[in-house]
Amino acid sequence: EVQLVESGGGLVQSGGSLRLSCGASGFIVSDNYMSWVRQAPGKGLEWVSVIYSGGGTDYADSVKGRFTLSRHSYRNIIYLEMNNLRPEDTAVYFCARVLRRLGSWWFDPWGQGTQVTVSS
Amino acid sequence: SSVLTQPPSVSVAPGKTARITCDRDNIGVKTVHWYQQRPGQAPVVVIYYNNDRPSGIPERFSGFNSGTTATLTISRVEVGDEADYYCQVWDSSSDHQGLFGGGTKLTVL
Repeated sequence: EVQLVESGGGLVQSGGSLRLSCGASGFIVSDNYMSWVRQAPGKGLEWVSVIYSGGGTDYADSVKGRFTLSRHSYRNIIYLEMNNLRPEDTAVYFCARVLRRLGSWWFDPWGQGTQVTVSS
Repeated sequence: SSVLTQPPSVSVAPGKTARITCDRDNIGVKTVHWYQQRPGQAPVVVIYYNNDRPSGIPERFSGFNSGTTATLTISRVEVGDEADYYCQVWDSSSDHQGLFGGGTKLTVL
């Protein structure tokens, strides 16, 4: 069964750091593109970042320079290192596998999410 | 505009047809994906690549995309379909490449 499980969320003060983890089963992380998507309380979905199968990364402008996405191929895990956190980063963070066809990307499956709360 | 616009809410009676729209200039040249999110749960893709259904998604779910509007249609709506629905496109020219609509709350009356 293809599954993703996130961990590492918590409460942190503004300016602080957290590292989120996303473990995969049923497929190989390094053979796929993987993304993080977040959802602020009562709000919609916001794409955050992607790591490509080749190891390159891309980020939304709102987190560029503060967040770093990496992976541990042997452990089949991806990480989101979040630095200089702001109250507006408060959200549930979901990891998701990226599926692709002819230049179009979508997300399937998703993990259950991990809560990040940044206090001011 | 790079924004995907969805109505905040749609209401429908059980057994009827619900249509949820997603508007953007020339969205018809993109491929649109749709997600269902029940309260407290992770999103689940219900339609990908405009009108493909993942295994396990009922045939009652279908999609169409043309011009400036993409539409998710849910036929013979059931109480269990009550959820938030999001459209999504991949726009490499946007600062949010995995661009989502604002979401539509489907209420089954």
